[in-house]
Amino acid sequence: SQTIHQWPATLVQPVGSPLSLECTVEGTSNPNLYWYRQAAGRGLQLLFYSVGIGQISSEVPQNLSASRPQDRQFILSSKKLLLSDSGFYLCAWSGNVGEFGYTFGSGTRLTVV
Amino acid sequence: RKEVEQDPGPFNVPEGATVAFNCTYSNSASQSFFWYRQDCRKEPKLLMSVYSSGNEDGRFTAQLNRASQYISLLIRDSKLSDSATYLCVVNEPGGFKTIFGAGTRLFVKA
Repeated sequence: SQTIHQWPATLVQPVGSPLSLECTVEGTSNPNLYWYRQAAGRGLQLLFYSVGIGQISSEVPQNLSASRPQDRQFILSSKKLLLSDSGFYLCAWSGNVGEFGYTFGSGTRLTVV
Repeated sequence: RKEVEQDPGPFNVPEGATVAFNCTYSNSASQSFFWYRQDCRKEPKLLMSVYSSGNEDGRFTAQLNRASQYISLLIRDSKLSDSATYLCVVNEPGGFKTIFGAGTRLFVKA
C-alpha cells in the first residue's frame, strides 16, 4: 500500500534562517506531489506541485522553493524564513489527475520566531 | 466570490442528530469533488468522493448539484467521534488545481 512520510513534525526556526522540509512516498511510481500550507484557522493553500522529477510548478510567488530530485521525493526549501512563513505544511500525493483525491502526510508545524 | 465557499460553523449537535453541510463552487467546469475530514492539528483525510448521482458510505451521504454548483454532506446518527472540521474540495479541469474550502467545524456533544 502507498504511504507518505513527512518530517519533521514540528519545527521552530528564527527569522532569516533556512528551511528544508522533506517528503517521501512509498508504494507508488510517478506520483503527482504537492506542497500545501495551512495558516491557523484558514484553508489549505497550494504552494507547489510536481508531475515528475525536476518538474515544479509554483502557485504562489513567495520566498519558498521546491525540488523533486527523485521520483518519490519532494523537498520544500527557503533560504531565509519570514515570520509570515509560519504555518502547517502538508505534503500530498495523488494519482494521474487527482480523480481519486489526495493522500496527505502528517504535516510539519513550522513556527518562525 | 470565493472559489469554494463553506459555512465555517461551528455546528453544535447532540449525539444521534442528523447534520448537513453545504458547499458552493464557482467554476462550472470543475470535474471532481470530495469531502475531507480534518481533526485538530492533524492532516486532512479523504472522507468520500462525491459522484454526480450521489453516493452513500454508511452514515454519510454526499450529493452534487452541478446546475446550482453546490455539493452537500449529510451525516446521520452523529457520533462523538464525528467531531472534526469537514473540508469541501473541488478539482478543476486538468486535475492539478485543487481548491480546498476553509472547512466547517462540527462538534458532537453527549
